[in-house]
Amino acid sequence: DTGVSQNPRHKITKRGQNVTFRCDPISEHNRLYWYRQTLGQGPEFLTYFQNEAQLEKSRLLSDRFSAERPKGSFSTLEIQRTEQGDSAMYLCASTEGTGSAIDSPLHFGNGTRLTVT
Amino acid sequence: AQSVTQLDSQVPVFEEAPVELRCNYSSSVSVYLFWYVQYPNQGLQLLLKYLSGSTLVESINGFEAEFNKSQTSFHLRKPSVHISDTAEYFCAVRENSGGYQKVTFGTGTKLQVIP
Repeated sequence: DTGVSQNPRHKITKRGQNVTFRCDPISEHNRLYWYRQTLGQGPEFLTYFQNEAQLEKSRLLSDRFSAERPKGSFSTLEIQRTEQGDSAMYLCASTEGTGSAIDSPLHFGNGTRLTVT
Repeated sequence: AQSVTQLDSQVPVFEEAPVELRCNYSSSVSVYLFWYVQYPNQGLQLLLKYLSGSTLVESINGFEAEFNKSQTSFHLRKPSVHISDTAEYFCAVRENSGGYQKVTFGTGTKLQVIP
């Protein structure tokens, strides 16, 4: 178990640019979540995958945001035409999600901190 | 829709004193409840969880939380805190409704242990 890995750790970009983040979940986990965390707030749900299927997207996720998990392993989160309000910590988490493991906790990565200038 | 309320954004407490971090939730179905901890410069990690059975659950480092269905609460307690407990604590809820299960987090409580 090498844990959930997120890259990059930090990203500084200018407003209007596109950015892409990557998440590598724990290998046997079939559920993958993206959350966003801003200062003074708890993690806010963005989207969720079961294997390669994106099953739910939050209303927080505008059409500038897109997430993929093409082979049911790693996932990418892309933000197009970034805005200053997108500055936040983007967290990825994974969990087992079948049978008796349906109540298993989330395993979080260390996050990608995005700063939009 | 499920929601979680952590009323205290910051809790300062002297070392070796007891502490309680409050968490209330709202849901129309049965839930699983979790406390996550985030130490400085680290990612979120699970502290303890309530799934079913005994309403009192414990962590390996002395924290405990009690599920109170009538009060829809899951407060976190420790009888004697240590400097190393300084961290931000997040309460989370997952609805037990079958199929997809979103985890909703509270806004967090920063525990500051004072020497």
